[in-house]
Amino acid sequence: EAGVTQFPSHSVIEKGQTVTLRCDPISGHDNLYWYRRVMGKEIKFLLHFVKESKQDESGMPNNRFLAERTGGTYSTLKVQPAELEDSGVYFCASSQDRRTSGGREQFFGPGTRLTVL
Amino acid sequence: QKEVEQDPGPLSVPEGAIVSLNCTYSNSAFQYFMWYRQYSRKGPELLMYTYSSGNKEDGRFTAQVDKSSKYISLFIRDSQPSDSATYLCAMDYAGNNRKLIWGLGTSLAVNP
Repeated sequence: EAGVTQFPSHSVIEKGQTVTLRCDPISGHDNLYWYRRVMGKEIKFLLHFVKESKQDESGMPNNRFLAERTGGTYSTLKVQPAELEDSGVYFCASSQDRRTSGGREQFFGPGTRLTVL
Repeated sequence: QKEVEQDPGPLSVPEGAIVSLNCTYSNSAFQYFMWYRQYSRKGPELLMYTYSSGNKEDGRFTAQVDKSSKYISLFIRDSQPSDSATYLCAMDYAGNNRKLIWGLGTSLAVNP
């Protein structure tokens, strides 16, 4: 079974440009999460989808960040326009239905390393 | 004050040693306590999780939670070079929102 995949693995862009990160969760996982790790800081929650709906987007830094999850499958995270402080590693995770015993385990992708120059 | 405190290390031990990793937290509402392992350039991988207080053992790994002290630990027995990684603690609240609150992670090196 394929794990969580993320694309691209690394992106280098100029300040002011737009970048779109993609996450493909494990098939059948209703829950999808985005996290970010800035160098030297803890991993921080950004948002949580249940199927195609945003359950919690309290961690989104500002309105330059837009997340979507088309048809409850893959998700994209767009940063427009990018700023220097957006640099970091963006992780995506997915988990099963919360009502199942396995629903608490979040499976993580390898992350997208974003560098804004 | 950070919600979760974790010493980033680095921690270096000889092969076969017992490793003790720990985190403290400030929010008494946390109910689930996780330990993740992360290898370089990979995503975090769940090792163990514990609900509320108590101990949980899985092979060479033991997780302990002391809610009265707001302190959690991960013990690794007979450590192996393959255990060299960053170990992150994470916590969340009971309920439907599963957003995880993370420690900084502790970098561990097990030397042959």
